[in-house]
Amino acid sequence: EIVLTQSPGTLSLSPGERATLSCRASQSVSSNYLAWYQQKPGQAPRLLIYGASSRATGIPDRFSGSGSGTDFTLTISRLEPEDFAVYYCQQYGSSPWAFGQGAKVEV
Amino acid sequence: EVQLLESGGGLVQPGGSLRLSCAASGFSFSSYGMNWVRQAPGKGLEWVSGISDSGVTTKHADSVKGRFTISRDNSQNTLFLQMSSLRADDTAVYYCAMRTSGGTVFWGQGTLVTVSS
Repeated sequence: EIVLTQSPGTLSLSPGERATLSCRASQSVSSNYLAWYQQKPGQAPRLLIYGASSRATGIPDRFSGSGSGTDFTLTISRLEPEDFAVYYCQQYGSSPWAFGQGAKVEV
Repeated sequence: EVQLLESGGGLVQPGGSLRLSCAASGFSFSSYGMNWVRQAPGKGLEWVSGISDSGVTTKHADSVKGRFTISRDNSQNTLFLQMSSLRADDTAVYYCAMRTSGGTVFWGQGTLVTVSS
């Protein structure tokens, strides 16, 4: 079973700054089926990135994903006020699926 | 258009049972593995159970093994999660989800299960 570890747990930044979130897998993610989600309080998770680097429909291009194998990164190029939230990575290439523990981007 | 619609959530007493359903449409349901994912209040996302396209292979998280059973009816395009011996820590929003042929992940809107006396 794959275990995903996100770092850092909390990222304190200001609007306009760049955010870099890491997700490390305990073993290689099949076909790089790695997704990133954004979640705000009281809302369902919102898919941002799938297949490690493909943006989901309607996601602004300030969000980008990269990486392969066991190391993946979500980058928010310039933080907007609405980007302060919790972010999760997920591997869905093999069963059982796995989620990272979440990373909070705060002001 | 792919649609996943969960139902069956509600309030149940500790030790009780509940059956969740996920009605699928817009794709060839019998060709895809399916999963249940949950999120407890204030907690992270947790994979619960998965089932192969044929229904022959199932897996469950250790936290629900022996209490939950995932199944599917391909003739009715429906996924199920039978939950028994429910505990307070099973309280969560339950989502059905799948990996699409395009390599993305698609989730339903979720159904809330509350275990409380």
